[in-house]
Amino acid sequence: DAGVTQSPTHLIKTRGQQVTLRCSPKSGHDTVSWYQQALGQGPQFIFQYYEEEERQRGNFPDRFSGHQFPNYSSELNVNALLLGDSALYLCASSSITGGGQDTEAFFGQGTRLTVV
Amino acid sequence: QKEVEQNSGPLSVPEGAIASLNCTYSDRGSQSFFWYRQYSGKSPELIMSIYSNGDKEDGRFTAQLNKASQYVSLLIRDSQPSDSATYLCAVPHDRMKTSYDKVIFGPGTSLSVIP
Repeated sequence: DAGVTQSPTHLIKTRGQQVTLRCSPKSGHDTVSWYQQALGQGPQFIFQYYEEEERQRGNFPDRFSGHQFPNYSSELNVNALLLGDSALYLCASSSITGGGQDTEAFFGQGTRLTVV
Repeated sequence: QKEVEQNSGPLSVPEGAIASLNCTYSDRGSQSFFWYRQYSGKSPELIMSIYSNGDKEDGRFTAQLNKASQYVSLLIRDSQPSDSATYLCAVPHDRMKTSYDKVIFGPGTSLSVIP
């Protein structure tokens, strides 16, 4: 059973460029959340996707956008990259139970983005 | 704005000792609390969750919660070098749900267990 997979593992982009990161959730999971983890910091919640819609969003600018596909995989897009966007981007997947609660989330290994 | 605070460390303990990791949170209404372990270069892994005041034990790990003091801790008994990692305290983004995947993380405490 494959866990949460993210691609690519590492990426180097130039300031001002755009980037797309990809996440495939764990089998049986339908919800994907994205986090940004700067060096030496805890992960910061960016947004969550469920049923192909953004459910909730953290304190990130509109340069950060996402998408969820019918197969539950997800993309994170960042436009007009800044040096400060350099971080580890983590994807976490879970599923919604009948009671509306989320099951335990599992994190992917992350994509290390470096903006130069 | 909810906040979760932790001492960044590094915390160094000798092998076999008890490691004590502390966390405070700002939202008095928070109901669920999580401890994640993150090895260098790896993703966070949930190791403990606690919802009620008091202690919760799981193997060598004990989580302690004091809602009145807005304080949660993690004790690791018989620390091993393999426990060397960053430990992240987290609370759900939505206090009304056990939202494992929408959480607010603290900055993490780096633990080093010396052989």
